[in-house]
Amino acid sequence: GAVVSQHPSRVICKSGTSVKIECRSLDFQATTMFWYRQFPKQSLMLMATSNEGSKATYEQGVEKDKFLINHASLTLSTLTVTSAHPEDSSFYICSARDQVGYTFGSGTRLTVV
Amino acid sequence: AQSVSQHNHHVILSEAASLELGCNYSYGGTVNLFWYVQYPGQHLQLLLKYFSGDPLVKGIKGFEAEFIKSKFSFNLRKPSVQWSDTAEYFCAVNPDSNYQLIWGAGTKLIIKP
Repeated sequence: GAVVSQHPSRVICKSGTSVKIECRSLDFQATTMFWYRQFPKQSLMLMATSNEGSKATYEQGVEKDKFLINHASLTLSTLTVTSAHPEDSSFYICSARDQVGYTFGSGTRLTVV
Repeated sequence: AQSVSQHNHHVILSEAASLELGCNYSYGGTVNLFWYVQYPGQHLQLLLKYFSGDPLVKGIKGFEAEFIKSKFSFNLRKPSVQWSDTAEYFCAVNPDSNYQLIWGAGTKLIIKP
């Protein structure tokens, strides 16, 4: 079946630095990808919808300048957390739309120290 | 390894039939439990969640789920389904020790009008 690879699975970075998370569709083309964030003891929250070749659509309350999304090809979307702060520590997960539905990445655990 | 098992990958029902989707997880500690739904062409939405308290949880659109700790289960139920319930349903488990969300493979539900 369809596979979405998300990398890295875990990352620790210093406050003020930027971190890039990659989401790749391995055996299908994904014109649309979604980025989610999970806060501790809460459910997933949709951050943005990433569309290949165009600007991402951000959900209300999500800072587009802080969470940069690039969907430059049909198999790759990236999320860059810029000038990370400890409150950005969270679990980020992407999903891609395939022919039969949606496939999820395995997630990235970001810790900002 | 921690895992979430959804027993039925495809379920087809007629309108007004009763629904029960199984979800079992393998983790011995405290967990937070979720059911998510994806309607055709839409992104993931939270259906209901369990963190603590009453093990019978009521969600949106008439859905409910019961957490049975001794059986490591969190089955989703609805007494009478509608055609609009056609969607894919995902069970997810968050071990209380970390932020990671462990997903079931999903169940595609088709309701015949």
